Amino acid sequence: AQSVSQHNHHVILSEAASLELGCNYSYGGTVNLFWYVQYPGQHLQLLLKYFSGDPLVKGIKGFEAEFIKSKFSFNLRKPSVQWSDTAEYFCAANRDDKIIFGKGTRLHILP
Amino acid sequence: EAGVAQSPRYKIIEKRQSVAFWCNPISGHATLYWYQQILGQGPKLLIQFQNNGVVDDSQLPKDRFSAERLKGVDSTLKIQPAKLEDSAVYLCASSYERGRHNEQFFGPGTRLTVL
Repeated sequence: AQSVSQHNHHVILSEAASLELGCNYSYGGTVNLFWYVQYPGQHLQLLLKYFSGDPLVKGIKGFEAEFIKSKFSFNLRKPSVQWSDTAEYFCAANRDDKIIFGKGTRLHILP
Repeated sequence: EAGVAQSPRYKIIEKRQSVAFWCNPISGHATLYWYQQILGQGPKLLIQFQNNGVVDDSQLPKDRFSAERLKGVDSTLKIQPAKLEDSAVYLCASSYERGRHNEQFFGPGTRLTVL
């Protein structure tokens, strides 16, 4: 079955630490990949997306993600996190207009 | 531009009662989605509309859930009768058109608690 897996359910980091959140998908063929973020008390919003071309995509607020086709992965990264990055992060894959979300990673940044 | 609007934001009901949620998508967006997000999980698509037609309702529990988008703009999702396991956040999203390239914009959600 098609699925999206996020490896870490809960991550705690100190400010200025580097971040990498793992995401793997089980689709074959052409797939579009997304990272969404949900800040406390706010609705889901798009961080970044990959459709084609350069596998390293840059999003808002200094986030980036790398698509590695051979590993079916789309990991999210940020070199130096801030307290304001505390949120829940969802990886999602869209194939043939069917979007599947991962279970999410709750990120807590210590000031 | 105004975002996706949903109401109510919170709802508490007892099992076997009925409940309805309303969604108004971003103006001009032809595609509308309803998701169910159970605590600790990612959103799961329940139903997708293109204008006023259903594109995908394969994961909608049709024995108790129904949804409509009569005029191709706003939409309602109904649960009748509710079960304890329906406790979740119900998210509405819209996109300009169908297709995997189109970004979905999400509303704030309705948090449903079934007692």
